[in-house]
Amino acid sequence: AIQVTQSPSSLSASVGDRVTITCRASQGVRNGLGWYQHKPGKAPKLLIFAASTLQTGVPSRFSGAGSATDFTLTISSLQPEDFATYYCLQDSNYQWTFGQGTKVEIK
Amino acid sequence: QVQLQESGPGLVKPSETLSLSCAVSGYSISSGYFWGWIRQSPGKGLEWIGNIYYNGDTYYNPSLKSRATLSIDTSTNRFSLMVFSVTAADTAVYYCARLGDYNRWHFFDFWGQGTLVTVSS
Repeated sequence: AIQVTQSPSSLSASVGDRVTITCRASQGVRNGLGWYQHKPGKAPKLLIFAASTLQTGVPSRFSGAGSATDFTLTISSLQPEDFATYYCLQDSNYQWTFGQGTKVEIK
Repeated sequence: QVQLQESGPGLVKPSETLSLSCAVSGYSISSGYFWGWIRQSPGKGLEWIGNIYYNGDTYYNPSLKSRATLSIDTSTNRFSLMVFSVTAADTAVYYCARLGDYNRWHFFDFWGQGTLVTVSS
């Protein structure tokens, strides 16, 4: 099964900061990776799919990049509502694997 | 708008079977798409459990070692999860979700609110 390594596991940032989270797949998954935002007590929310396509309604400060094994999620200017845990999810050969998560906290 | 709602017992005894159902509204599951289950154990990350296609094809996370079974009932517009021989490690919030698709890629675009299942005697 394909493993996904997400980093960092947590980070502290201030409102207005640029934040980048990385996922690395153990094998190439082409563009089969998405990003989710998860807040306590809520369902995860899809932000990005197919590596770089912004889900409808998601603010443009979120962007995704990468292909094959290396992917990034960037928040260009962190807003108060962005403090949450972020997960990547790879989709390859009808097997799905989440990254370990990155908790974005207020500095 | 697609909506999903999980239901089932909140407490299951060790070695017994966890059984959850997901009711879908706003879309007929017989029309297409994958439907899936994801869980989050206390203090841990999200874990994919398995997906079922509208035609009944299933795909599972190998880490569950064949303890999970998904089924679909198009007559009631529901799909279900069973996890056999549960232990405390199966205590988690369980989410059901739909997988949207774009080209050949699939992603969870609509989610239920989640239901907590505790395994304890």
